[in-house]
Amino acid sequence: DTEVTQTPKHLVMGMTNKKSLKCEQHMGHRAMYWYKQKAKKPPELMFVYSYEKLSINESVPSRFSPECPNSSLLNLHLHALQPEDSALYLCASSQESGYRSTDTQYFGPGTRLTVL
Amino acid sequence: GQQVMQIPQYQHVQEGEDFTTYCNSSTTLSNIQWYKQRPGGHPVFLIQLVKSGEVKKQKRLTFQFGEAKKNSSLHITATQTTDVGTYFCAGWDSNYQLIWGAGTKLIIKP
Repeated sequence: DTEVTQTPKHLVMGMTNKKSLKCEQHMGHRAMYWYKQKAKKPPELMFVYSYEKLSINESVPSRFSPECPNSSLLNLHLHALQPEDSALYLCASSQESGYRSTDTQYFGPGTRLTVL
Repeated sequence: GQQVMQIPQYQHVQEGEDFTTYCNSSTTLSNIQWYKQRPGGHPVFLIQLVKSGEVKKQKRLTFQFGEAKKNSSLHITATQTTDVGTYFCAGWDSNYQLIWGAGTKLIIKP
């Protein structure tokens, strides 16, 4: 199984809503990532979890809150988002620790988020 | 800061023509990876190049990594409609940061 799954596929939310994005992988990977991708741009790294611990936070606003309940699951909790946060949110995983590793990252299909 | 420049931004080709995208880094990369993203899709890993001067082939796709490990290219021979999408290079620098190119969008002319 070389698949990373993400739910929901699409999400529309208001600026006062609280929602969560979910990501799951069953490849035994120990590093998981959240990326944000705007149209016509490359993915932009937000967070890296290595062995279920947050290892990198790329200065992401606190309205985005990641959580790694176990080695297979990664959540992104959203609260008080702004319209400019509308984007494709991608989850990825890689075999080894995200820190000091150059392993291939496998991406999920993403959640297309629209903030009204 | 460290950058990976990727050109061209877009390339329009007739089906059957060749396509090439180039990446150039301001610093030496430990390795470089190539991804393809179909319209409405997500990045899909194609290949990783590690060695200086490395050339790898996947059917009609040829990937090269420069001798100085600062540049790379992807060449597609005889493009097909299934090749449509945006091709990204992403290089790992010496600080284990993955630096993405801006992508090259391959468009097949009708």
